[in-house]
Amino acid sequence: LAKTTQPISMDSYEGQEVNITCSHNNIATNDYITWYQQFPSQGPRFIIQGYKTKVTNEVASLFIPADRKSSTLSLPRVSLSDTAVYYCLVGGRMDSSYKLIFGSGTRLLVRP
Amino acid sequence: EAQVTQNPRYLITVTGKKLTVTCSQNMNHEYMSWYRQDPGLGLRQIYYSMNVEVTDKGDVPEGYKVSRKEKRNFPLILESPSPNQTSLYFCASSRTPSQGQETQYFGPGTRLLVL
Repeated sequence: LAKTTQPISMDSYEGQEVNITCSHNNIATNDYITWYQQFPSQGPRFIIQGYKTKVTNEVASLFIPADRKSSTLSLPRVSLSDTAVYYCLVGGRMDSSYKLIFGSGTRLLVRP
Repeated sequence: EAQVTQNPRYLITVTGKKLTVTCSQNMNHEYMSWYRQDPGLGLRQIYYSMNVEVTDKGDVPEGYKVSRKEKRNFPLILESPSPNQTSLYFCASSRTPSQGQETQYFGPGTRLLVL
């Protein structure tokens, strides 16, 4: 099962680009990497997903190197409303198990 | 509107008094799961279900039970709650069981306090 490691917290300022890296050394061949965003008192919500190289959508980019042992979520020009906890999730298929293991998350604080 | 609902949203109870937290989804999803969230520990999966009558343990199943008698519902049962089960609980669902590529849709959460 791929365990993920993320920084506990990060600080940034409005308008800056923020990059959050997740390590997943034991990622399996078929595992996808997914990032979720969680605001206080709400359930997490999907941001972006990728398997390899780079993925971009309207809110973020995801960079995955060739060895796939890490991934970086990039948030361009953050605003105060991007203050949240960000979770990296790597698929948890092992034998017959369909467990999903989230990491501890990265708490991002965006300052004015 | 496609959603996952949980009830109750807030619950205060006492040690040993059985309780059930309901979860329902209207997206015809096969995979459903329960998580607990504690400060500094992130989201930890309690139980999951791949379809009706198919459930399995997640990372922290002790003290919890689940059932999946209907596709849309996945209640979480605490037979004898203890204070260490005080937590924020989330139900989630996805279209199919997968190796992580299926988007998980989360409910709004249930905040439980066990005295």
